[in-house]
Parts: sequence; structure tokens; C-alpha cells
Amino acid sequence: GENVEQHPSTLSVQEGDSAVIKCTYSDSASNYFPWYKQELGKGPQLIIDIRSNVGEKKDQRIAVTLNKTAKHFSLHITETQPEDSAVYFCAASMNSNYQLIWGAGTKLIIKP
Amino acid sequence: GAVVSQHPSWVICKSGTSVKIECRSLDFQATTMFWYRQFPKQSLMLMATSNEGSKATYEQGVEKDKFLINHASLTLSTLTVTSAHPEDSSFYICSAREHRGGNQPQHFGDGTRLSIL
Repeated sequence: GENVEQHPSTLSVQEGDSAVIKCTYSDSASNYFPWYKQELGKGPQLIIDIRSNVGEKKDQRIAVTLNKTAKHFSLHITETQPEDSAVYFCAASMNSNYQLIWGAGTKLIIKP
Repeated sequence: GAVVSQHPSWVICKSGTSVKIECRSLDFQATTMFWYRQFPKQSLMLMATSNEGSKATYEQGVEKDKFLINHASLTLSTLTVTSAHPEDSSFYICSAREHRGGNQPQHFGDGTRLSIL
């Protein structure tokens, strides 16, 4: 079955710097890749997603890139702010059952 | 848009009690809803997939008689933890997938923290 690996597990960056989180997946049938932000005690919040027919997508300070050949996708956050501190999860999904296969999560710490 | 409401947010009860958790999609219709369990500092673990009007599909190792799921309408799914015991204490989260063709985003509720004494 599908397997998603996410790195790093913890990422500490200075406020204003950029943060990059990387994920790899194993099943080439996966065609939908969302990123979620989870704050303490809350449910995951969808922040950006990308489909397999697109290589890059951007929404203000957040961007996601997808390399289908290498089976990896990345989240880029520019000009980081204290409110970006949270746990970020990547996931992969395919049309067969629409279930999300989750990465292990990255704890992002923004240092003031 | 795409708001999912989950209630209650926190439950503390005695061992042996049954607890019902509601998951509602407020501004969209959801053919499919998912129930997850999350342990501290871990990723989400899928428990079951709930389709409106049909029986839920449970993941391996999840007891269907323990975790009863009902999805009676396109906007409401419920999870009932029957005869709860301390080992059932956890963070339970639901998500709803928009009722459109293709692979659509899942939107999550804010979770229910269940503590069994």
C-alpha cells in the first residue's frame, strides 16, 4: 500500500526566514497531495493542496511543489511568522478510496 | 467555507459509559466522512470511513461493535464509543469530504478529547 515519509520531524527557523518540509510517497497512483497545519488541541486545517497534473502551486507565503517522477512533494513557507508555529502534516490520496495516507508530521518552531 | 463542527470538544466520564460524538458539515454536503484517532505527538490514525446511507468501513484492528458509526444524512455522522474504558481515552477527530466528483479535500473538525476515568 501507499507509504508517506516526511522530514524533518522538527524544524526550527528564525522569524522571517523560510521553512521547507519534504515528503515522499511510494504509490504512483496517488494523485492528490494536501498539506495540513495542526495547532495544539485543534483539528488539522487544510492550508494548501496540489494535484498530480500540476507541478507547483502558490498561495501568498505558502507554496507546494510536486515532482511526480521522483515521487516527492514539498511545502515552502516564506517570511515565517510566530503564528506559523504548529505541526504540519503532508498526505497523499488516490481515487480508489480517497483515504489520506499521512506523513508523521513536522513540528515547526519559529524563533523570535 | 467548508466548515466542520465536532461536538463535544471535551468529555470526561466514568468507565463503562457510552459516549456519542457528532460531526457536522455546516456549509457543504459530505457523502463521505472519516473518523480518526490521534495519540500525543503522533499522526492521525484512520479508524473508519463512513458513507451516507450505508455501513461504515472499519480499518483493521478497530472493533466495529466498540466504535459505532452512523451517517444518516449528508451533513451528519456520529461516533459512539460504547462501554468506554481508560484505554479508549484519546483525541478523536472527524473529517468530511466534499460531495463532488474526483478527489476532493477533507475538512476536519476540531476534535474531541475523551478522558475515561
